[in-house]
Amino acid sequence: SQTIHQWPATLVQPVGSPLSLECTVEGTSNPNLYWYRQAAGRGLQLLFYSVGIGQISSEVPQNLSASRPQDRQFILSSKKLLLSDSGFYLCAWGAGTGRAKQYFGPGTRLTVT
Amino acid sequence: GDSVTQMEGPVTLSEEAFLTINCTYTATGYPSLFWYVQYPGEGLQLLLKATKADDKGSNKGFEATYRKETTSFHLEKGSVQVSDSAVYFCALLEPGGFKTIFGAGTRLFVKA
Repeated sequence: SQTIHQWPATLVQPVGSPLSLECTVEGTSNPNLYWYRQAAGRGLQLLFYSVGIGQISSEVPQNLSASRPQDRQFILSSKKLLLSDSGFYLCAWGAGTGRAKQYFGPGTRLTVT
Repeated sequence: GDSVTQMEGPVTLSEEAFLTINCTYTATGYPSLFWYVQYPGEGLQLLLKATKADDKGSNKGFEATYRKETTSFHLEKGSVQVSDSAVYFCALLEPGGFKTIFGAGTRLFVKA
């Protein structure tokens, strides 16, 4: 069966510090991978998606970046965090085009102080 | 671009009340439509889906019908329980694409 892991589960970082959140998927190959942010009291915002190794599409301008160094690994990074980066970050994977649903990881709660 | 609009919350109901959470969408072509649920302290999980016009998705007593003519996918349940308290997200998958667009979410509180 497929499993998606995210770590860390929670993170408290000062403004201006770097960020690295990791997501890995097991039990599937060549998945589409997604990073979402869920800010407090707001909906789910798509940040990045990837359809293959090294292929990253950015949905919103921001100081975050994403990388996909391996087929089932998706990393969200920042060189300098802002207060507005606080939120709940969700990684998801989906298989193929058309009718595929997405499977979500447990999420990382990031608080920038 | 494609978008999803759902009713603002929070929605507060008594146990056994009837639930409707409205969702409308804007998209070119025929997207697939989904309802996801996020229970307190947990991640998102798929609740139900519909892939073409007039399809009805159902799960755990929840239902939603894909209405192409009104571009809607309203979520309904005849009798809610306290355990249904959660945030509900309406979403669409762009036809032929890889992106799922989510609504802002609607928080549901069910009182005993």
